[in-house]
Amino acid sequence: DQQVKQNSPSLSVQEGRISILNCDYTNSMFDYFLWYKKYPAEGPTFLISISSIKDKNEDGRFTVFLNKSAKHLSLHIVPSQPGDSAVYFCAASGGSGNTPLVFGKGTRLSVIA
Amino acid sequence: DGGITQSPKYLFRKEGQNVTLSCEQNLNHDAMYWYRQDPGQGLRLIYYSQIVNDFQKGDIAEGYSVSREKKESFPLTVTSAQKNPTAFYLCASNRGTSGSGEQFFGPGTRLTVL
Repeated sequence: DQQVKQNSPSLSVQEGRISILNCDYTNSMFDYFLWYKKYPAEGPTFLISISSIKDKNEDGRFTVFLNKSAKHLSLHIVPSQPGDSAVYFCAASGGSGNTPLVFGKGTRLSVIA
Repeated sequence: DGGITQSPKYLFRKEGQNVTLSCEQNLNHDAMYWYRQDPGQGLRLIYYSQIVNDFQKGDIAEGYSVSREKKESFPLTVTSAQKNPTAFYLCASNRGTSGSGEQFFGPGTRLTVL
């Protein structure tokens, strides 16, 4: 059973608008969440993370929101740029630094100029 | 520059052959991980190691083996027992219990079975 779910396989957004990528999780033991960006044939690169003690974390154009009661997090990208076109993975862990991450299946974002 | 290297970038194997994928890191990280990516499947954990000379199976360990003889190296062997080995393989590392959960990834190896 999938513990981390990204229910939208793809998303298209116009340049300059907001991109919202969603992620749901089922394991209430998860307390650390991350977003990764991946281009084809490359390794994922870390974007932004959030601990369960927070409900928002911001880094430049990227903001992650966490709703613990709904077991839901989202990544907002404002404004969206063509270079943001990639696959975005949501990941979660149980907290200790070397707990393996559990990944969602990813959402392919296309930013249209 | 610190980072994770994986070699080779592309690898071709005949059916029935074992093949070893290399992963090296100079980040002084304690923990290392192997993932497999298939189209539409996300990243699935094969094996991980939290310390030298110790490793644990992930979700899809069957048909794979690993070793962790040195802190900086975590090679993955894809054996002939792996039924569908064609995939993109990713190695990652992080600082372990002394640091955050963020994992750093290598560039990946695409394995194709002919």
